[in-house]
Amino acid sequence: QVQLQESGPGVVKPSETLSLTCTVSGDSLNSGSYLWTWIRRPPGRGLEWIGNIFYTGSSNYNPSLKSRVTISVDTSQRQFSLNLGSVTAADTAFYYCARGRSGGDFDFWGQGTLVTVSS
Amino acid sequence: QSVLTQPPSVSAAPGQKVTISCSGSSSNIGNNYVSWYQQLPGTAPKLLIYDSNKRPSGIPDRFSGSKSGTSATLGITGLQTGDEADYYCGTLDSRLGVVVFGGGTKLTVL
Repeated sequence: QVQLQESGPGVVKPSETLSLTCTVSGDSLNSGSYLWTWIRRPPGRGLEWIGNIFYTGSSNYNPSLKSRVTISVDTSQRQFSLNLGSVTAADTAFYYCARGRSGGDFDFWGQGTLVTVSS
Repeated sequence: QSVLTQPPSVSAAPGQKVTISCSGSSSNIGNNYVSWYQQLPGTAPKLLIYDSNKRPSGIPDRFSGSKSGTSATLGITGLQTGDEADYYCGTLDSRLGVVVFGGGTKLTVL
């Protein structure tokens, strides 16, 4: 069974960089045509796709966040990571990592981690 | 404001049937598969429907999906109190180049 687990700080100061890592077990990041994805859900709002990365390192980002986002992958550690710079209170959200498929769906998700932007 | 439009809430009695709509456009639902997710309180979203009408292994056939034109629908029959959750639709948007989601629908089983 594929499992994903997010890790990282629960609080980030405004203007700093939010950094999260997703560790994958039960699968190899380069075992198929999957897109390793970050999605967030601000409290009281809907889901927002942040971006994804293929095991080769090729990435795609939401244009609304593109100037601040970097997603990287380390296949040897079975991890992929999210960096979101210059954060504000609007970036406070539950952050999820997920395995994306070519049809645009996400079949496995991490449990999610709440990141609060606050001084 | 979400790209896909869902009703904020729906409700029905135990044992009854409910449908949740998801409205989009030709750049998203009209030309791409739709997926549906269930998010129980305090948990991660769970894939219920993919490729507009397929169920992953382990998802009961009480859950069904359909698509027509630029709209999609999730159907749930034989409602149970354990079905109380937020439900989200999602799809690719070819114009925006991203995956887009609906704002979510809260299901209450009265």
